[in-house]
Amino acid sequence: DQQVKQNSPSLSVQEGRISILNCDYTNSMFDYFLWYKKYPAEGPTFLISISSIKDKNEDGRFTVFLNKSAKHLSLHIVPSQPGDSAVYFCAARGNTNAGKSTFGDGTTLTVKP
Amino acid sequence: NAGVTQTPKFRILKIGQSMTLQCAQDMNHNYMYWYRQDPGMGLKLIYYSVGAGITDKGEVPNGYNVSRSTTEDFPLRLELAAPSQTSVYFCATLEIYGTSGANEQFFGPGTRLTVL
Repeated sequence: DQQVKQNSPSLSVQEGRISILNCDYTNSMFDYFLWYKKYPAEGPTFLISISSIKDKNEDGRFTVFLNKSAKHLSLHIVPSQPGDSAVYFCAARGNTNAGKSTFGDGTTLTVKP
Repeated sequence: NAGVTQTPKFRILKIGQSMTLQCAQDMNHNYMYWYRQDPGMGLKLIYYSVGAGITDKGEVPNGYNVSRSTTEDFPLRLELAAPSQTSVYFCATLEIYGTSGANEQFFGPGTRLTVL
């Protein structure tokens, strides 16, 4: 049973437009949610996170929204830039599990110039 | 600071061979992790460690072993390589500080392993 799901394997948007990446989870014990970005032949790098006590966190062009009742979160990138083209992973973890994270399968974002 | 380093970058093994994937960090983080990523999939946790001398199994530990004798190093051992272990392996670290558990993991660049 996959506890963190990213149902869209890929997303293509035009430069300057909004990119919306979605993530669903099933485990109500998850307290923290993180987004990582991964370029080919590199390790994932942290992008933004949100605690379960919040419903929104913003960092520059990146905003993450959390809907706890729906067990759903989304990452918004506005405006999208060609350099944002990468694989985006959603990850979730509880507060007391030694920092172990459960990852989704990723969404490949392509931003076209 | 080098952050998290992994060696080798690439390796091809024959079935039944053994090898050690090296992971080193210079951030003095207590928590370290090994993940594998299969094509089109997310990262699966193999083993993790919360400090020197302490290791524990993750989601997919079969066929692997780890040790943590120092804070800096967390090697992953494959004893009898199998084609199912063909994957990209990532080492990661974490330092939990303050009251927030939202601290991010820092990943190495990965080791691409092929078992033929």
